[in-house]
Amino acid sequence: AQSVTQLGSHVSVSEGALVLLRCNYSSSVPPYLFWYVQYPNQGLQLLLKYTSAATLVKGINGFEAEFKKSETSFHLTKPSAHMSDAAEYFCAVSGGSQGNLIFGKGTKLSVKP
Amino acid sequence: EPEVTQTPSHQVTQMGQEVILRCVPISNHLYFYWYRQILGQKVEFLVSFYNNEISEKSEIFDDQFSVERPDGSNFTLKIRSTKLEDSAMYFCASGPGTGLSGNTIYFGEGSWLTVV
Repeated sequence: AQSVTQLGSHVSVSEGALVLLRCNYSSSVPPYLFWYVQYPNQGLQLLLKYTSAATLVKGINGFEAEFKKSETSFHLTKPSAHMSDAAEYFCAVSGGSQGNLIFGKGTKLSVKP
Repeated sequence: EPEVTQTPSHQVTQMGQEVILRCVPISNHLYFYWYRQILGQKVEFLVSFYNNEISEKSEIFDDQFSVERPDGSNFTLKIRSTKLEDSAMYFCASGPGTGLSGNTIYFGEGSWLTVV
């Protein structure tokens, strides 16, 4: 069965600092992995996804994630945080027979001025 | 850009009442989903729907819940006899294929259900 674990329910960084949100996955088959962002009072928006093409995946808003099979990780990074990045971030893996997404518990990112 | 739309954005209902949440998936998509997110918790899969039938459902999706695609464009989630613990944000989603093929699943903005 597939699952994801997000380390840290809350991460706080200063504006301009590196953002690192951690995600580890468990999958019995080669995984497809996703990062979604949820801004306050909004729905889930896809940031980026890994589909076995390139291990370093670039997404929207300057975010990227690197798939590391040896570490079963898919951590999300951004070199320089912006106030507008404050949101909740969800890692997800495709699972089930119909490829429904299995989400982690989410990491809330706060950005301090 | 095409998007998944959901109505209502917020509904308050009394315990025991029936609720219907509506969704218009992206028009050329074939797979439809409902997820829910109880306040402060993770997003949980409820059900997937393909070719006019449920293709997979979680243990949360019991007999209290049903889904329907009545007219080829809307996709509805019905909750019969709502309970307090049904209070959550319900997300509709659609995709051109399944996530197993790496296809993106697109989410609506959610319907916030409050059961009092």
